Amino acid sequence: EIVLTQSPATLSLSPGERATLSCRASQSVSSYLAWYQHKPGQPPRLLIYDASNRATGIPARFSGSGSGTDFTLTISSLEPEDFAVYYCQQRDNWPLLTFGGGTTVEIK
Amino acid sequence: QVQLVESGGGVVQPGRSLRLSCAASGFTFSTYGMHWVRQAPGKGLEWVAVISSDGSNKYYADSLKGRFTISRDNSKDTVYLQMNSVRAEDTAVYYCAKDPSHCGGDCYFFDYWGQGVLVTVSS
Repeated sequence: EIVLTQSPATLSLSPGERATLSCRASQSVSSYLAWYQHKPGQPPRLLIYDASNRATGIPARFSGSGSGTDFTLTISSLEPEDFAVYYCQQRDNWPLLTFGGGTTVEIK
Repeated sequence: QVQLVESGGGVVQPGRSLRLSCAASGFTFSTYGMHWVRQAPGKGLEWVAVISSDGSNKYYADSLKGRFTISRDNSKDTVYLQMNSVRAEDTAVYYCAKDPSHCGGDCYFFDYWGQGVLVTVSS
């Protein structure tokens, strides 16, 4: 099983600041990594797929980068609606799909 | 627009069975793979199972040890999750999720999700 480790567990930032979230895989997942945003009481929302492709309707302030074992989700300038939990997910080892443990982006 | 609506959740006793349903609309259901993903209280997301567009291929998380079965009825635009011999650790919100299926087959990530349905395993 490929283990995804997300850091930090919690990120405390103010609106307008830049958020940098990390996801590290226990072995290479090539570029087969997705990012999701999850707010309480709502379903997760796909943000990024294949490491750097924004999903339909996702604002340009969200960007993804990386390959192999190290990946980053960047939110260039936090909007109030961006405070949420973010998960990465690998599909390289399909069908055994795994998620990271999540990073909470909270208001400072 | 894509809509996925889960149903069938509730309280179930340990060792009993439960079937979840997910009704889809807004897309050509029969051409997309479908998944179930769950989230236990206070925990992260855990992938459960996937079924291909025609139902011929099904895969499961190792942790389920053969207790769950995914199926679909393309005439009803519905995917199911049959949960047998449920355990306390199966308590979670269960989401159905659509696969983009544009990767020369299923892509194994999730572009649309339902609102989720809560399953509580308790005596």
